[in-house]
Amino acid sequence: ETGVTQSPTHLIKTRGQQVTLRCSSQSGHNTVSWYQQALGQGPQFIFQYYREEENGRGNFPPRFSGLQFPNYSSELNVNALELDDSALYLCASSLGASSGANVLTFGAGSRLTVL
Amino acid sequence: DQQVKQNSPSLSVQEGRISILNCDYTNSMFDYFLWYKKYPAEGPTFLISISSIKDKNEDGRFTVFLNKSAKHLSLHIVPSQPGDSAVYFCAASPILTGGGNKLTFGTGTQLKVEL
Repeated sequence: ETGVTQSPTHLIKTRGQQVTLRCSSQSGHNTVSWYQQALGQGPQFIFQYYREEENGRGNFPPRFSGLQFPNYSSELNVNALELDDSALYLCASSLGASSGANVLTFGAGSRLTVL
Repeated sequence: DQQVKQNSPSLSVQEGRISILNCDYTNSMFDYFLWYKKYPAEGPTFLISISSIKDKNEDGRFTVFLNKSAKHLSLHIVPSQPGDSAVYFCAASPILTGGGNKLTFGTGTQLKVEL
């Protein structure tokens, strides 16, 4: 079975720009979650998508948005980039959306640097 | 407000000895706890979990202990092996989130197992 793949692995943007990060979920998984991991911190929950709809959101502003496609892949979009958005963005997939007991399978992440 | 705390940023142990990683939480709504392991340039991988109805869960060399009254859990690795060298994240969630796989992570503990 294929794992979670993310692209791009690294990218550099400047303040005010917009970025799109992509994620392919593990085969058989129908739910995708996105996490932001700042340097020296643990991953922080951004939001989750299930059946192509946002299903749970963390403490992130509306300029963080996402999509889930019929094949369960997903995109994270960040508008009006700020320096503090520099982080590793992790995508995780799982089977099921309602239980905290679901085990998440993470991708290797996309490292975003905002200058 | 850090709801999941890992107060030791690093831990060094000798091969063959026991590694004990600690985690404290403050949110009484958490009733499911997980440990993830992360190697450089890879995503976090699930290691072991425990629900609040148990006080111990064991999987091979890995055992997680939960003390609900103290809001404390620990991960024991016996015997420790050089391949266990990684960052270990403690994570917590309510089992019935109703809105996603929203895990709250600690800041991680870097474990180094020396020969």
